[in-house]
Amino acid sequence: DIQMTQSPSSLSASVGDRVTITCQTSQDMSNHLNWYQQKPGKAPKLLIYGASNLETGVPSRFSGSGSGTHFTFTISSLQPEDIAIYYCQQYYNLPPFTFGPGTKVDVK
Amino acid sequence: EVQLVQPGAEVKKPGESLKISCKGSGYSFTNYWIGWVRQMPGKGLEWMGIIYPGDSDTRYSPSFQGQVTISVDKSISTAYLQWSSLKASDTAMYYCARLVGLPGGMDVWGQGTTVTVSS
Repeated sequence: DIQMTQSPSSLSASVGDRVTITCQTSQDMSNHLNWYQQKPGKAPKLLIYGASNLETGVPSRFSGSGSGTHFTFTISSLQPEDIAIYYCQQYYNLPPFTFGPGTKVDVK
Repeated sequence: EVQLVQPGAEVKKPGESLKISCKGSGYSFTNYWIGWVRQMPGKGLEWMGIIYPGDSDTRYSPSFQGQVTISVDKSISTAYLQWSSLKASDTAMYYCARLVGLPGGMDVWGQGTTVTVSS
């Protein structure tokens, strides 16, 4: 099975700060990695697909990069509405397309 | 508008059966895989399995194989997740979501069904 780790598991930052989350996979995923945002009490929302492609309608302060086994998700200027848990997900080759454990983002 | 609609909540007793639904609209239902994701209280997302409504091709995560059944009725654009004998440990939120492709991510999500299993 493909193992996924995210770091940090949680963070607290100020409005306007740059926030970076990393996701590491146990096998080479090429660029087959997505990032989701889940706000409290809501369904997850796809933000980034194919490691670095912004889903339609998602603010440009969100971005993704990386390939292989190391991926990065960035919020360039944290906003109060960005309070959420962020998950990476691999979709390489065959199912299951596992999710990472999540990173909880709070605003100071 | 593309959407997936799920019932809000189900309350069952251990040992009972349950089938929850996910109705798609606003797009060609038979052309996109539908997946199911579990989220236990206070926990992360778990990928359960997927089904292709066009031909009912189904793939399960090993963790859920034999524990649940995923099915579809394409005539009414509805996918299902069912249990034959519920356990307290099945208490969770269950989301359905549309896959953009296989392989691929999930671009449209239902609002989720809360399943509570308690005696």
